Amino acid sequence: NAGVTQTPKFRVLKTGQSMTLLCAQDMNHEYMYWYRQDPGMGLRLIHYSVGEGTTAKGEVPDGYNVSRLKKQNFLLGLESAAPSQTSVYFCASSYGPGGRTEAFFGQGTRLTVV
Amino acid sequence: AQSVAQPEDQVNVAEGNPLTVKCTYSVSGNPYLFWYVQYPNRGLQFLLKYITGDNLVKGSYGFEAEFNKSQTSFHLKKPSALVSDSALYFCAVRDSLGSARQLTFGSGTQLTVLP
Repeated sequence: NAGVTQTPKFRVLKTGQSMTLLCAQDMNHEYMYWYRQDPGMGLRLIHYSVGEGTTAKGEVPDGYNVSRLKKQNFLLGLESAAPSQTSVYFCASSYGPGGRTEAFFGQGTRLTVV
Repeated sequence: AQSVAQPEDQVNVAEGNPLTVKCTYSVSGNPYLFWYVQYPNRGLQFLLKYITGDNLVKGSYGFEAEFNKSQTSFHLKKPSALVSDSALYFCAVRDSLGSARQLTFGSGTQLTVLP
């Protein structure tokens, strides 16, 4: 039972570098989400997708891009990393809209930008 | 706009005592309410949800939550706390009205159960 798998689990980037975080789910969920978690701020939605080929902006989308070319994968890209993007990133998926059905979360990616 | 507040950053309770983690919300329509738990270095895990129906919702690991529409609250409770309940707890809400398809999370409450 893999559920939601995030790759990598840890990463250190230098300012200005780029990277892609991969999220894969094996539950055939339509909805997928990328959140960032910062101390005292809870989880904030970066981008989300309501199905293959679709993406939409969340609460804090600036500096990030996403793609959902396959239903099971949701990629989060940082084109030019900044120290303000140091955070823990969580991917989640749900069968229906994130308000009637529960979401399943990955274990997180701890990103440090120096 | 939908919002949720967890007024306590930290809750300490002795093992065996009842625990309460508070949550209040603000929505325009009807709320869909969730509680999630996060153990160290792990993702969030679903505990319970309120969509409609009985105001008292029972969930995983002996937790329950009471929906109170007049007080716009959805407090998480457990009759007898365990040390293993120590974790970070998040309340989340979605408004039944509006175009938002995602949850808004509170800032989290760190629960520590003392042996």
